[in-house]
Amino acid sequence: AQRVTQPEKLLSVFKGAPVELKCNYSYSGSPELFWYVQYSRQRLQLLLRHISRESIKGFTADLNKGETSFHLKKPFAQEEDSAMYYCALSGSGNTGKLIFGQGTTLQVKP
Amino acid sequence: KAGVTQTPRYLIKTRGQQVTLSCSPISGHRSVSWYQQTPGQGLQFLFEYFSETQRNKGNFPGRFSGRQFSNSRSEMNVSTLELGDSALYLCASSQSSVAYEQYFGPGTRLTVT
Repeated sequence: AQRVTQPEKLLSVFKGAPVELKCNYSYSGSPELFWYVQYSRQRLQLLLRHISRESIKGFTADLNKGETSFHLKKPFAQEEDSAMYYCALSGSGNTGKLIFGQGTTLQVKP
Repeated sequence: KAGVTQTPRYLIKTRGQQVTLSCSPISGHRSVSWYQQTPGQGLQFLFEYFSETQRNKGNFPGRFSGRQFSNSRSEMNVSTLELGDSALYLCASSQSSVAYEQYFGPGTRLTVT
């Protein structure tokens, strides 16, 4: 079964501290993995996807197929990073279907 | 470019009634996906339409249906509403058949009483 697990509902860090939002997935084929973010009173939007291997707003994520993980990392958290983060999976052939994790609220304290 | 729009933004219905929600994708986008968001279940995929054809369907009962028009606008319909259908319904559009980036609308908040 396709599943995305985000074990932490809430992650609270101080400004300047490193951040790691965990994401594990279950999929039998070759998935596409994404991180979506929702800032307060804004729409859900794409933060990054593993296929592009880019860094957005200082965030990076590496797909580890052995551990079936796609953790989101940032070396120094900023207050404006406070938001809800969703890890999502799209299986090959299921191009318009995203399977989302439950989400992690990141709270960056001053 | 205007973003994805959804109408209405808020809706209150009674159990047993039916409801139709509308989604207008970004101009030029041909794929529209629908999701249900609830506190308990999170974001769950309902269905996806591409060029007026349903391409994917999630695990929802047949009371949930949708369609897409030739201008890519999409509607979803829920018949015989139940209390558990209360949720935020999000639609997302994507430019091509390879929907690597989905652009989400603001959602329609449906309350069933």
